[in-house]
Amino acid sequence: GAGVSQSPSNKVTEKGKDVELRCDPISGHTALYWYRQRLGQGLEFLIYFQGNSAPDKSGLPSDRFSAERTGESVSTLTIQRTQQEDSAVYLCASSLVSGGYEQYFGPGTRLTVT
Amino acid sequence: GDSVTQMEGPVTLSEEAFLTINCTYTATGYPSLFWYVQYPGEGLQLLLKATKADDKGSNKGFEATYRKETTSFHLEKGSVQVSDSAVYFCALLYNNNDMRFGAGTRLTVKP
Repeated sequence: GAGVSQSPSNKVTEKGKDVELRCDPISGHTALYWYRQRLGQGLEFLIYFQGNSAPDKSGLPSDRFSAERTGESVSTLTIQRTQQEDSAVYLCASSLVSGGYEQYFGPGTRLTVT
Repeated sequence: GDSVTQMEGPVTLSEEAFLTINCTYTATGYPSLFWYVQYPGEGLQLLLKATKADDKGSNKGFEATYRKETTSFHLEKGSVQVSDSAVYFCALLYNNNDMRFGAGTRLTVKP
């Protein structure tokens, strides 16, 4: 079946503009995660959704970052007033449930803020 | 806080060489440990995992053993192939929903 998909694959934006990144998880996966991967660094946890529970936003780096998820489907990560330090690859992953289950990753969105 | 440290790359080996990528962790309690691999142009995918001390995860000729006494989860393969060229990430799951990843180690295998 289809894996996790993300769009766009690449996004170049000017400093100060808002961007929206989209993630389509694997159908039936109740858990969805967003990570940020800066060049040469590991993955940085941003936010986690599990079913209808309140999301875990503890990894969001500032109030310019927000994310929404409709039920157990699509999620969007929004970055307002982008800064150059926001440049990174943003990865989305989904899993059947949380807690030790394999996470399936999308190909990522490469964001470049000029 | 809980964290993972893995050896810095890049690592360059000849085909059929022995591979070790070191990974150590700091955690309270007993996390599950993972190795993920990212092939060029693809997303991360799970390579292997171990959920408790002394467990050995294995897949595609790769192995890693969960060593509680040394807080390590080193990745090994006896004979690497060109197709193993990728970035390898060590990770731990330290609560029900949060994974901590290492910085990644880029492996290049030359024919």
